[in-house]
Amino acid sequence: QVQLQQSGPGLVKPSQTLSLTCAISGDGVSSNSAAWNWIRQSPSRGLEWLGRTYQRSKWYNDYALSVKSRITINPDTSKNQFSLQLNSVTPEDTAVYYCARDIGRGLDVWGQGTTVTVSS
Amino acid sequence: DIQMTQSPSSLSASVGDRVTITCRASQSISSYLNWYQQEPGKAPKLLIYAASGLQSGVPSRFSGSGSGTDFTLTISSLQPEDFATYYCQQSYSTPTITFGQGTRLEIK
Repeated sequence: QVQLQQSGPGLVKPSQTLSLTCAISGDGVSSNSAAWNWIRQSPSRGLEWLGRTYQRSKWYNDYALSVKSRITINPDTSKNQFSLQLNSVTPEDTAVYYCARDIGRGLDVWGQGTTVTVSS
Repeated sequence: DIQMTQSPSSLSASVGDRVTITCRASQSISSYLNWYQQEPGKAPKLLIYAASGLQSGVPSRFSGSGSGTDFTLTISSLQPEDFATYYCQQSYSTPTITFGQGTRLEIK
């Protein structure tokens, strides 16, 4: 059974960097059939896809245009996990952040969610 | 981006009712449409993939249909645990997937 376990701080100051990690069990971050996604949810923006990382013959990353200048998603094969970094955060980045797996038939496994508040 | 519009935004129904939720895409997305259920304080749960495929472990009272721009999620006989918020999501423009705004299903 595949599970995703999220970790990271729930409070980030404006202009600083939001960092979250998603640990994978039951599958591999290097899987050739999965993509590993970050999605956030807020009352104002609803469910918003942020980006993903995946490996085929090499590693690939895709990012939403809305955050492309501020986001980095990195795999960590040694720990079988992947991370999200979002720079220069503002209160508009306050949301519940989720990691999720995509094997080409929808987002079938989700992390538990992390509520992140951007406030001084 | 492809816009996904759900209707209604909220719905009141009773246990045992048959319920249909509609999702419309701003352009044709073939059958690249998924449905999720979200309970308060929890992550979304995949119900239906590729418009009509039933995700493993999901009860058969859930079904999906449609193609192109118009899709429906049907719950044939509502159970108490079905009262939640439902979202559609298009994967036609992967990686830039987009979600509907949600339909809140409440007990009448």
